[in-house]
Amino acid sequence: LAKTTQPISMDSYEGQEVNITCSHNNIATNDYITWYQQFPSQGPRFIIQGCKTKVTNEVASLFIPADRKSSTLSLPRVSLSDTAVYYCLVGDQRRGSTLGRLYFGRGTQLTVWP
Amino acid sequence: DSGVTQTPKHLITATGQRVTLRCSPRSGDLSVYWYQQSLDQGLQFLIQYYNGEERAKGNILERFSAQQFPDLHSELNLSSLELGDSALYFCASSVDGTHKYNSPLHFGNGTRLTVT
Repeated sequence: LAKTTQPISMDSYEGQEVNITCSHNNIATNDYITWYQQFPSQGPRFIIQGCKTKVTNEVASLFIPADRKSSTLSLPRVSLSDTAVYYCLVGDQRRGSTLGRLYFGRGTQLTVWP
Repeated sequence: DSGVTQTPKHLITATGQRVTLRCSPRSGDLSVYWYQQSLDQGLQFLIQYYNGEERAKGNILERFSAQQFPDLHSELNLSSLELGDSALYFCASSVDGTHKYNSPLHFGNGTRLTVT
């Protein structure tokens, strides 16, 4: 079970780029890294997923170094509405090892200030 | 809108009672997951069903049980309720199966259970 470690909280200001790093030292070869966002009283929402190098979509980028022992979620030009909890999950659901990706941990509380 | 529907949105009941929470997954999703979120415990994985069968079990109490029906909707039954069971209960669904990629989880907006 790949355990993840994230900062408990981060603060930023509107318009800045925010980078949240997740450590996963015992990630397995076929594990994917997935990030979710959660607003108060709502279910988590999928942001981005990757296996290696870099993935980018319309809301975020995910950077994964060659050793894959960590990953960084990058949010460009954050706004007040990006204030939320961000979770990093690691696992491979396709066959066999499904459990890692099911455990969300405490996540990182990102607060964006005006 | 995630496409996952949970009912009821709110539930208030007394200790010792039994309640049933219902979840309808996204169209086409075969897996259903249940999570409990309380202030002091964070988001806790309870159980997963895939196409009607239990696939993974997390920190689910013996007083709790779940099932997934042939139409793929799922129910979470909580019995002998205690004050500490007050929490948000989320259902999520995903395609799963033998895909080449990891399909993400899609969450409903939860059922807020208050035990008095």
